[in-house]
Amino acid sequence: DQQVKQNSPSLSVQEGRISILNCDYTNSMFDYFLWYKKYPAEGPTFLISISSIKDKNEDGRFTVFLNKSAKHLSLHIVPSQPGDSAVYFCAASVIIQGAQKLVFGQGTRLTINP
Amino acid sequence: ETGVTQSPTHLIKTRGQQVTLRCSSQSGHNTVSWYQQALGQGPQFIFQYYREEENGRGNFPPRFSGLQFPNYSSELNVNALELDDSALYLCASSRTLDRVGTEAFFGQGTRLTVV
Repeated sequence: DQQVKQNSPSLSVQEGRISILNCDYTNSMFDYFLWYKKYPAEGPTFLISISSIKDKNEDGRFTVFLNKSAKHLSLHIVPSQPGDSAVYFCAASVIIQGAQKLVFGQGTRLTINP
Repeated sequence: ETGVTQSPTHLIKTRGQQVTLRCSSQSGHNTVSWYQQALGQGPQFIFQYYREEENGRGNFPPRFSGLQFPNYSSELNVNALELDDSALYLCASSRTLDRVGTEAFFGQGTRLTVV
């Protein structure tokens, strides 16, 4: 039962343009959504989060949009830079039996082309 | 402020053996969660420790166990290793339980290979 899905395994974007990474979820009990970036041989790096009661959160080049009716969120990176090339994970937070756990999507590999 | 550190970074074990992985949480963080990431997948929740007590676990068998110490560092123990246990094991720390949803900081992971 994949509660968080990233349907695009990979995405290629020109440097300077906008990168849009998408994520769909099924569980209405998720209270926060987070985006992580992961380089090979490193742990995931926290980028940005959004509460389920908000529809937008912005931090520098990164903006996350949440559409609750569609159970969809997206991460926008503007402008895209070569250092943004990495695997991006969408995660959702939920409390189950007292534990606040993160449920992750499968990841999207973003490649920024010069 | 030190980040989350895990040791060792790589480990090779034989099927049936036992392994202990270690995690030092970020300074001031009392909540530690462990995740398993198989190749090509997102991390899967194993269990969580809050103030030295297990605070819930995911869909993993009892041969996966853990500890949290008074300084909030943590261990993950896996008994009777199976080939499918080969994965990247990640530790995440949060300032407190209710901050997991807004910011959970991960270590670099331990790559476990079972042969």
